[in-house]
Amino acid sequence: GAGVSQSPSNKVTEKGKDVELRCDPISGHTALYWYRQSLGQGLEFLIYFQGNSAPDKSGLPSDRFSAERTGGSVSTLTIQRTQQEDSAVYLCASSPDWADTQYFGPGTRLTVL
Amino acid sequence: AQRVTQPEKLLSVFKGAPVELKCNYSYSGSPELFWYVQYSRQRLQLLLRHISRESIKGFTADLNKGETSFHLKKPFAQEEDSAMYYCALTNSNSGYSTLTFGKGTMLLVSP
Repeated sequence: GAGVSQSPSNKVTEKGKDVELRCDPISGHTALYWYRQSLGQGLEFLIYFQGNSAPDKSGLPSDRFSAERTGGSVSTLTIQRTQQEDSAVYLCASSPDWADTQYFGPGTRLTVL
Repeated sequence: AQRVTQPEKLLSVFKGAPVELKCNYSYSGSPELFWYVQYSRQRLQLLLRHISRESIKGFTADLNKGETSFHLKKPFAQEEDSAMYYCALTNSNSGYSTLTFGKGTMLLVSP
């Protein structure tokens, strides 16, 4: 079946602009995660959704970052007033439930000029 | 705080040689440990998890709680094993689980 999909695959933006990154989880997966993969920092957890609620937002690096999930399915990660240090690959993962294996999407490569 | 350490950024071996990718963790509790792999131009995927105690693509990993290690091993490396390998742990005690990753080890297998 279809795996986790993310769009866009690449995004280049100017410093100070807002960006939205989208994640389509595997159908029926209730748990959804966002991670960030950057040089030097490796893979970092950002936020976790169970259904439409986000019980863990502890990894969001600043208040410029926000995320929502609607209908228990699609999620968007929004970065406001982007900075150069936001440049990274943003990965989304989903799992059938919170304790199950996480399946990753291909990522969105964000470049902030 | 939970932490995963992969001391080697790069491991280069010849085809047929044994491979050991090191992973140490710190966690106050009973963690669940994983190895994820990312082949060139492919997405991150699960290789194995310690509770399954299975061998995938010839790789095995044993959880050593005394040494807080979860090293990944393969007796005879193949060229197609070249990839980025991430060790990760999850904290499932809070009613949900998020992955804490090491910084990864790039494995290069030469012919």
